[in-house]
Amino acid sequence: AQKVTQAQTEISVVEKEDVTLDCVYETRDTTYYLFWYKQPPSGELVFLIRRNSFDEQNEISGRYSWNFQKSTSSFNFTITASQVVDSAVYFCALSEETGNQFYFGTGTSLTVIP
Amino acid sequence: KAGVTQTPRYLIKTRGQQVTLSCSPISGHRSVSWYQQTPGQGLQFLFEYFSETQRNKGNFPGRFSGRQFSNSRSEMNVSTLELGDSALYLCASSPGPPHEQYFGPGTRLTVT
Repeated sequence: AQKVTQAQTEISVVEKEDVTLDCVYETRDTTYYLFWYKQPPSGELVFLIRRNSFDEQNEISGRYSWNFQKSTSSFNFTITASQVVDSAVYFCALSEETGNQFYFGTGTSLTVIP
Repeated sequence: KAGVTQTPRYLIKTRGQQVTLSCSPISGHRSVSWYQQTPGQGLQFLFEYFSETQRNKGNFPGRFSGRQFSNSRSEMNVSTLELGDSALYLCASSPGPPHEQYFGPGTRLTVT
């Protein structure tokens, strides 16, 4: 069965600090997809990134970077030089190859203190 | 392109009533999924429709149902509302797997 674990419930950092959000997943599929979403206080989930199971290259987008390691079933998300606007709940999600059902983690609430 | 729209944004209903929520996907997207989000249970998958067919269904009672129209717009219905149905209901659209889902702003349902 598919499962996503985000062990960090809440994180607080001071502005300009780096922060890493952890995501560990479980699946028996060989082909699967991993996602990160941001949910600001307004409530709308915003798509950040998608990774397929065959692509273990790390990705960087501005201050955001993602580290995908199949060996440890982890897909961690790092924000460099955090800003107040980064304050939100971040969700990691997993989907199987054929379905469109997403399995979400419980989310990590990030607060960036000015 | 316009994003996913959901109506209404807020709804207050009384226990025992029924409710219908509407979702308009991004143009060209044929897959629509629904999720329930509560503080205690997090984001839980309700069901997914693709080309008017329900392909996946989560672990919710039969009081929760949905449908998709030929223009890909979708509705979900909850009958005999219970207090525990109070939640944010999110709709997401996608061109289909394995693409990412794009979420609407949600409908916040309060059952009193």
